[in-house]
Amino acid sequence: GNSVTQMEGPVTLSEEAFLTINCTYTATGYPSLFWYVQYPGEGLQLLLKATKADDKGSNKGFEATYRKETTSFHLEKGSVQVSDSAVYFCALNTNTGNQFYFGTGTSLTVIP
Amino acid sequence: EPEVTQTPSHQVTQMGQEVILRCVPISNHLYFYWYRQILGQKVEFLVSFYNNEISEKSEIFDDQFSVERPDGSNFTLKIRSTKLEDSAMYFCASSVKRGSQETQYFGPGTRLLVL
Repeated sequence: GNSVTQMEGPVTLSEEAFLTINCTYTATGYPSLFWYVQYPGEGLQLLLKATKADDKGSNKGFEATYRKETTSFHLEKGSVQVSDSAVYFCALNTNTGNQFYFGTGTSLTVIP
Repeated sequence: EPEVTQTPSHQVTQMGQEVILRCVPISNHLYFYWYRQILGQKVEFLVSFYNNEISEKSEIFDDQFSVERPDGSNFTLKIRSTKLEDSAMYFCASSVKRGSQETQYFGPGTRLLVL
């Protein structure tokens, strides 16, 4: 079946620290992989995506590389800011494209 | 930038009552979805809707649930005879097309509490 497992939170970092949020997946076929972010009081916003193996998605200083050999799509940022405080969701979309499979979300708090 | 909107943001209801959660998808999108997230658990797919009919539904989406697009803009989720375990955050989403590379755009969610 299809599923996503992501790192448990909450995560608390100091400003300018390095961030990694782990995400691994199981899927049939060739899924696309996504990171969504939810800021307080807002909806899930697409942060970045990768549609095939070895693709790197990037946006706002965040990066994630689609690793088929390790079935992973870890989210990284070199220097976090207070404004990055949010809940981050890893997700995959199957070949049929009809539904997303999400992880549980990882809450990130960045302190000054 | 266009966005998906949902109302209400919060809903409290008594067990056994019916609730209707409303969504306005992005205007040129053709595919619509409902997901839910029980506190501390994963975001789970409920149903997808296209061309005025359900195209896929999960095993969660039983006879207690129904969806409708009553007019050209709204997309609703009706939960009949609510149970305590229906308490969750409900997200609506929409997309232009269907496909593995297609991004779904999500609303802010409706937090439903069943007492």
